[in-house]
Formats: sequence, structure tokens, C-alpha cells
Amino acid sequence: NAGVMQNPRHLVRRRGQEARLRCSPMKGHSHVYWYRQLPEEGLKFMVYLQKENIIDESGMPKERFSAEFPKEGPSILRIQQVVRGDSAAYFCASSPAMAQTYEQYFGPGTRLTVT
Amino acid sequence: DAKTTQPPSMDCAEGRAANLPCNHSTISGNEYVYWYRQIHSQGPQYIIHGLKNNETNEMASLIITEDRKSSTLILPHATLRDTAVYYCIVSARAGGTSYGKLTFGQGTILTVHP
Repeated sequence: NAGVMQNPRHLVRRRGQEARLRCSPMKGHSHVYWYRQLPEEGLKFMVYLQKENIIDESGMPKERFSAEFPKEGPSILRIQQVVRGDSAAYFCASSPAMAQTYEQYFGPGTRLTVT
Repeated sequence: DAKTTQPPSMDCAEGRAANLPCNHSTISGNEYVYWYRQIHSQGPQYIIHGLKNNETNEMASLIITEDRKSSTLILPHATLRDTAVYYCIVSARAGGTSYGKLTFGQGTILTVHP
């Protein structure tokens, strides 16, 4: 039973480019969450999605960041016009539909470096 | 969500029990206590959760005080691979306004020594 998959594992972008981070949830999971961990800081919630719906995006920066979880395919976190401050580890987690508790299963993360 | 307080760091000898405390004095009746850990920049790993009864699984035990204002995560026989940052998180069950959002604090850095 494959776990949460994220790709790429490492991504290098120049300032002003776009970054696309992909997350495939565990089989049978239809809830996806994105978190960001800045260097030497804790994990911060960004967004919670279900298939084709954004449930909570209270942690997403207002500009340049967007997320989607289409009916088919992985969830995508998109960062437009990246800046050096976007350099961080981005983790995706998933949980089953109708989960009553917060057992979220995390992927290995994508390390984004902006040069 | 209720706020949690954990010691910044703890040490433990390999093979001994590691007892990690967490204070959550403002916890409300519909909030669970969750424990996750993060090993050296890997993705966080779910360990255990509980509401008011003590819980045990293959990884750890969770002891929650009767007033639910504090809890202790117990790793019964710590190994070097248990060295990690351990996070205690309090959050509401599904249907709560914060459902879906895990709020990570600074956690406890547990170092297991040979």
C-alpha cells in the first residue's frame, strides 16, 4: 500500500519562475492538506482540499500561491513568480474521506530552493 | 484550538522508556490530543491520539490525566531511530471549525543516546 507521494523531491527555481509541486494521496484518501516548513521553523498549515473543492485556505499567502485537487490526478500546489522567501520544504498529507479524527499521513516533502 | 506546552528538549538512554509531557490546560470537551513526530526533515509521522482514555498502539502509549489538562507520550523502549521532534497537538474532531488543520508548535526534540 503506497504512501503519500510527492514530486519532485527537490526543485530549484530562479526568482520569477513558477513552481509546481505535486501530491498523490494514499489510495482511498480524498482529503489533501499542504503544509510549509521554512528553514529552522515549524510546520505551518497552508490549505485543505477535497476532490474539486478547497475547504480551508486560511494559511495560503494571498498572492502567487494556489492549490487544486482535480477529480482525476494529483493535487497541485502552484507558486507563481517565486521569490527567495519561498524556499522551504512543502509537505502534503492525506486522510480518508469522512475521517472523524486527524490522522493525517504525510509525504516525504518537496524541497524548493529559489536562487 | 487549545494551545499546548512542551519542553524544548529531552534526552533518553537507548532501551529505556521515554516519557514526553504535554500541557494543554485550555483543552475543551470535543478536542482530541494527537502526537506526531518528525525525524530529521522527513514528513511528520502520526503516532497516536486520544480523547480521554489512555491509548496504546504498536508505537507508543498515551496517558491523559483525568482532567485532560495534560498528557504524556510514552515510548516504552526507545531506540536511536526514535530521535526526532515530537509534536503534541490538540484539535477538534470532524465538524469543528478547525477541522483539517493541524497546528504544529515547536515540539520536543528527543535525543536517544547509546
